[in-house]
Amino acid sequence: DVVMTQSPLSLPVTLGQPASISCRSSQSLVHNSGNTYLNWFQQRPGQSPRRLIYRVSNRDSGVPDRFSGSGSGTDFTLKISRVEAEDVGTYYCMQGTQWPWTFGQGTKVEIK
Amino acid sequence: QVQLVESGGGLVKPGGSLRLSCAASGFTFSDFYMNWARQAPGKGLEWVSYISSSGSATYYADSVKGRFTISRDNAKNSLYLQMNSLRAEDTAVYYCARDDGSSTDYWGQGTLVTVSS
Repeated sequence: DVVMTQSPLSLPVTLGQPASISCRSSQSLVHNSGNTYLNWFQQRPGQSPRRLIYRVSNRDSGVPDRFSGSGSGTDFTLKISRVEAEDVGTYYCMQGTQWPWTFGQGTKVEIK
Repeated sequence: QVQLVESGGGLVKPGGSLRLSCAASGFTFSDFYMNWARQAPGKGLEWVSYISSSGSATYYADSVKGRFTISRDNAKNSLYLQMNSLRAEDTAVYYCARDDGSSTDYWGQGTLVTVSS
């Protein structure tokens, strides 16, 4: 299975400041099709997961533009340009290139 | 709007069975692959199973292979997960999620399954 490793696992941030989460995969996530199926999900406390970013850098409808995704191959990053109170929660990267799809351990974002 | 509503969770003894359902609305169900994922209390997310739009192709995580069966009824806009030989480690919130070809774009609110004697 593809192992997804996130860092940090805990991220205290100041409101209005940027935040960055790293995600590394144990093998390349480039699919035979040429697409890279690396996605980012947000899970607010007590809620279901919500997809923010698909295929590395595509923002889902309704996702604020302060969220951005980047990376390639095995190394990916989720950035929040200016953290707001509503961004508190756990963020997961997830690969959909090779079955079984796998998630990172999660990064808990909290306000300092 | 897209809605996914899971049901069927509850308390079951080890070795028992349970059938989860997911009622879909707001989109053409038969056009989309569908998934089940789960989250143990206080833990991260785990993919459980995946089914093609017609139901002809299914995939399972090794942890549930041979015990769980995913199925769908496109006429009823419904997704199912038959869970047999349940174990304590199957205790989790089970989510139904739609696949848009890139990954899962919509998730239900989840249904809790507790396996305990």
